[in-house]
Amino acid sequence: DAGVTQSPTHLIKTRGQQVTLRCSPISGHKSVSWYQQVLGQGPQFIFQYYEKEERGRGNFPDRFSARQFPNYSSELNVNALLLGDSALYLCASSLLYNEQFFGPGTRLTVL
Amino acid sequence: DAKTTQPNSMESNEEEPVHLPCNHSTISGTDYIHWYRQLPSQGPEYVIHGLTSNVNNRMASLAIAEDRKSSTLILHRATLRDAAVYYCILRDVVRGGSSNTGKLIFGQGTTLQVKP
Repeated sequence: DAGVTQSPTHLIKTRGQQVTLRCSPISGHKSVSWYQQVLGQGPQFIFQYYEKEERGRGNFPDRFSARQFPNYSSELNVNALLLGDSALYLCASSLLYNEQFFGPGTRLTVL
Repeated sequence: DAKTTQPNSMESNEEEPVHLPCNHSTISGTDYIHWYRQLPSQGPEYVIHGLTSNVNNRMASLAIAEDRKSSTLILHRATLRDAAVYYCILRDVVRGGSSNTGKLIFGQGTTLQVKP
């Protein structure tokens, strides 16, 4: 079975631009969570979606938004990019409260 | 959210057992103890979890103190592929209605070095 997939693998943007990151969960998983991992730190929770509904949001500004589609894939959008948004963005899928399976991440660099 | 405390780094020799400690003195009765690890250039990977009793799986063992204020992840024979950052996480999947996400709250973790 395929694991969690994320695209793109790497991305370079400039300040003020907007970015969309994509995630496909493991087949049968209805929950998708997004995390941001800045270099040298542990991942920080951004959002969780379950059955297309937002179930939780971490301490991130409104520039961050996400949605989940009927096939349970998800997109994370970040507007008005700042240098500090440079990070590894991780997507994880699960059966809601079971263990989370992480994708390889999207490395975002903001110049 | 209950917090955990782990040593920043540990070293082990290949093929020797490794005991990774975690303190969680403010753990609540509904918090499960989860361990994830993150190998270099990869996303985190689930290792094991438990509530009160010790747990074993193909990857590791989890020993939980009787008062649940601490736990230890045990790798029985460390290999070079076990070199990673290990995160001890408390996860409440029972409390609070629709707002309970069961989210993972990662700390700094323990960086494990395995020497050949």
